[in-house]
Amino acid sequence: QQQVRQSSQSLTVWEGETAILNCSYENSAFDYFPWYQQFPGEGPALLIAIRSVSDKKEDGRFTIFFNKREKNLSLHIKDSQPGDSATYFCAASGTNAYKVIFGKGTHLHVLP
Amino acid sequence: EAAVTQSPRNKVAVTGGKVTLSCNQTNNHNNMYWYRQDTGHGLRLIHYSYGAGSTEKGDIPDGYKASRPSQENFSLILELATPSQTSVYFCASGDLQGDAEQFFGPGTRLTVL
Repeated sequence: QQQVRQSSQSLTVWEGETAILNCSYENSAFDYFPWYQQFPGEGPALLIAIRSVSDKKEDGRFTIFFNKREKNLSLHIKDSQPGDSATYFCAASGTNAYKVIFGKGTHLHVLP
Repeated sequence: EAAVTQSPRNKVAVTGGKVTLSCNQTNNHNNMYWYRQDTGHGLRLIHYSYGAGSTEKGDIPDGYKASRPSQENFSLILELATPSQTSVYFCASGDLQGDAEQFFGPGTRLTVL
């Protein structure tokens, strides 16, 4: 049973477009949702995160939109650049949990 | 300077052989984790640890053991390697709570022939 689900395994956009990566979860106890970015040959690294008390978190070109009632969230990458081409993992955890549940990842291709 | 390092970076093993993957962190984090990454499966948790001397089973622990001899070091042990364990393995460290950032190492590519 997949607790964190990413709707697309792969996404391709043109440079300058907004890339939208979708994610949903099942466990109502999750209250912290990080997104990790992974480049080929490297380990994942935290990109941006949101807590369930918020419905939006913005950091430069990256924005998380969160819908607690629907149990889904999305990562928007504005003005996508070829350098944003990477795999993006949606993840979830509870405040007192010792582990993070990762989705399967979305491979983003940004074409020049 | 990298805070989470893994060795070796690449390893080729034979079926039935013993494999030890090592991880070292200089973040002074209590928690450490071992994941494997496979196409179509994302990151799956194998074992984790709350601190020196502790190891806990993750979501896919079968065929793996772990050892945490110190705050800095966390090893993953495959006593009898099988081809199904061919994968990329990542170690990570993090603070006490699950909502703390995890810092990943660069990964170890393991091939079991």
